[in-house]
Amino acid sequence: QVQLVESGGGVVQPGKSLRLSCAASGFTFKNYDMYWVRQAPGKGLEWVAAISNDGSNKYYADSVKGRFTISRDNSKNTLYLQMNSLRAEDTAVFYCARDQPDSYSPGHWGQGTLVTVSS
Amino acid sequence: QSALTQPASVSGSPGQSITISCTGTSSDVGGYNYVSWYQQHPGKAPKLMIYGVGNRPSGVPDRFSGSKSGNTASLTVSGLQPEDEADYYCSSYTSSPTYVVFGGGTKVTVL
Repeated sequence: QVQLVESGGGVVQPGKSLRLSCAASGFTFKNYDMYWVRQAPGKGLEWVAAISNDGSNKYYADSVKGRFTISRDNSKNTLYLQMNSLRAEDTAVFYCARDQPDSYSPGHWGQGTLVTVSS
Repeated sequence: QSALTQPASVSGSPGQSITISCTGTSSDVGGYNYVSWYQQHPGKAPKLMIYGVGNRPSGVPDRFSGSKSGNTASLTVSGLQPEDEADYYCSSYTSSPTYVVFGGGTKVTVL
């Protein structure tokens, strides 16, 4: 079955960097677009970034553009999110998700990893 | 990017039907048939319930249905059950200016 396991979250100071990883299994990773979606404590879902199946196309929310970079390694079945210049407002649970084909929507989701930006 | 507009809360009794609206613009909901709906229980990851306006992934009960008219999409839950109590979010592809936009979420309470 589809499994997505995020890692790399933790507490980080404002202005610092963090890299999240998402290990995928149970499906042919290289065939699917992938997403990062976040949820601040007590708040709603916010789409963060998306990447095409071959990594050639990347899309970002305005709130993270220029600070976050989405990437993937299809040989390792792993999705990444490099987060630089972190701010307090980036504090959230970050979810990795697999595209639901032909729908422009996250289908299968991981359990999330918490990122806390605090001094 | 502005989030899609959803009511903050909706409630109903077991067995009743409820409908949650999701209002956007011609650049997202109204312009494309790429509206999806998610269910999220407290402390859990979201679960896709509807995609492509009205398609259900395998395993989702047919009590859940989706539709769209103009710039507003709707999720209807028929025969409401206690386990349907959760937060529900809509999403849509958007051409202005980026890829995906979510609604603010609706808390469904089963009375």
